[in-house]
Amino acid sequence: EAGVTQSPTHLIKTRGQQATLRCSPISGHTSVYWYQQALGLGLQFLLWYDEGEERNRGNFPPRFSGRQFPNYSSELNVNALELEDSALYLCASSPWTGGNTEAFFGQGTRLTVV
Amino acid sequence: QQQVKQSPQSLIVQKGGISIINCAYENTAFDYFPWYQQFPGKGPALLIAIRPDVSEKKEGRFTISFNKSAKQFSLHIMDSQPGDSATYFCAASFLSGGSNYKLTFGKGTLLTVNP
Repeated sequence: EAGVTQSPTHLIKTRGQQATLRCSPISGHTSVYWYQQALGLGLQFLLWYDEGEERNRGNFPPRFSGRQFPNYSSELNVNALELEDSALYLCASSPWTGGNTEAFFGQGTRLTVV
Repeated sequence: QQQVKQSPQSLIVQKGGISIINCAYENTAFDYFPWYQQFPGKGPALLIAIRPDVSEKKEGRFTISFNKSAKQFSLHIMDSQPGDSATYFCAASFLSGGSNYKLTFGKGTLLTVNP
């Protein structure tokens, strides 16, 4: 069974540009979570999508947005990139069970803003 | 408050020794406490998890100890091996609107096991 896949692996953008990161969850998983892992800050929750809807959002500005498609894959968009947006962006997925379940992480997209 | 505080920030242990990482949380509504292991260039992977209705859970060389009254939980790695060298994150979550959860992570502990 394929795990959570993220693309691209690495992304280099210039300050002010937009970045689009993609995530394909494990087959059968309907929930997708996005996390930012910046150096020294640990993992910070960004967004949670389930069944195509945004269910929860972390403490990030509106220029961080995303969506979930009918096949449950997801996109994270970061507009007006700033240098401090440089980080590893991790996607995780979990199945709908109505309760706490394990989240499986992808390997991440390393975004570098120059 | 949904903060999870993790210590130490880094830990060096000799092969065969015991590695201990501690976490403390504030939100008493948290009801799921996983530990993740992350190797360089990889995403975090679930190592072991515990619910607050038990005080200890053991899986192989890994044990979680949970103290509900103190709002603390810890990871013990027995007989630590060089292959255990990685960053370890504790996390906590709670049922949100009766649906799946989001994780609140500690800032991580870089464990180095010397041969």
